[in-house]
Amino acid sequence: GQQLNQSPQSMFIQEGEDVSMNCTSSSIFNTWLWYKQDPGEGPVLLIALYKAGELTSNGRLTAQFGITRKDSFLNISASIPSDVGIYFCAGLTTDSWGKLQFGAGTQVVVTP
Amino acid sequence: DGGITQSPKYLFRKEGQNVTLSCEQNLNHDAMYWYRQDPGQGLRLIYYSQIVNDFQKGDIAEGYSVSREKKESFPLTVTSAQKNPTAFYLCASSIGAGDGSPLHFGNGTRLTVT
Repeated sequence: GQQLNQSPQSMFIQEGEDVSMNCTSSSIFNTWLWYKQDPGEGPVLLIALYKAGELTSNGRLTAQFGITRKDSFLNISASIPSDVGIYFCAGLTTDSWGKLQFGAGTQVVVTP
Repeated sequence: DGGITQSPKYLFRKEGQNVTLSCEQNLNHDAMYWYRQDPGQGLRLIYYSQIVNDFQKGDIAEGYSVSREKKESFPLTVTSAQKNPTAFYLCASSIGAGDGSPLHFGNGTRLTVT
């Protein structure tokens, strides 16, 4: 099946720093979703992207749907301790019959 | 409040026993999904259902079974045929399937089989 590569695998940052992560694939996507998962909980939707080039913000979070439709990135500005968690990208391709592909996740650790 | 409820939160079973995980949603969503999550890995799709009385295998359906008798319920049975059943199981729903509508997740059931 398709492979969705998410990087970095983990990040250790200081409070106040900006965070950037991305997902890439060899397939063309028509939807990109970004989720955050706290330990022991289910993922929560952060941002949904539906058009190539789309740039969408949600508070301190900004995500973009790549122009090539094969990638997406998520930025977190001025990180705070509650940003700790695992961030997942997920994408829907034109031939995946409704089955989202998930990245392996980026573990974010914020130190005071 | 609308949402997805998974129960129980923690489940312990002996090897060789079948176990059923509950998932209920009151969002009036047509599509429902079961995912498995292992440490350091992304979510892997077990089964999904686009409509009542219909469901399809995902990427790792072997050793699992589901039913969709009601729109709001999509229980998952982990059978004794599943070789490595210990994992965190997530149920999700969406307005439709294949239309790009985001998945909404429950808070998961952690299954431990010894």
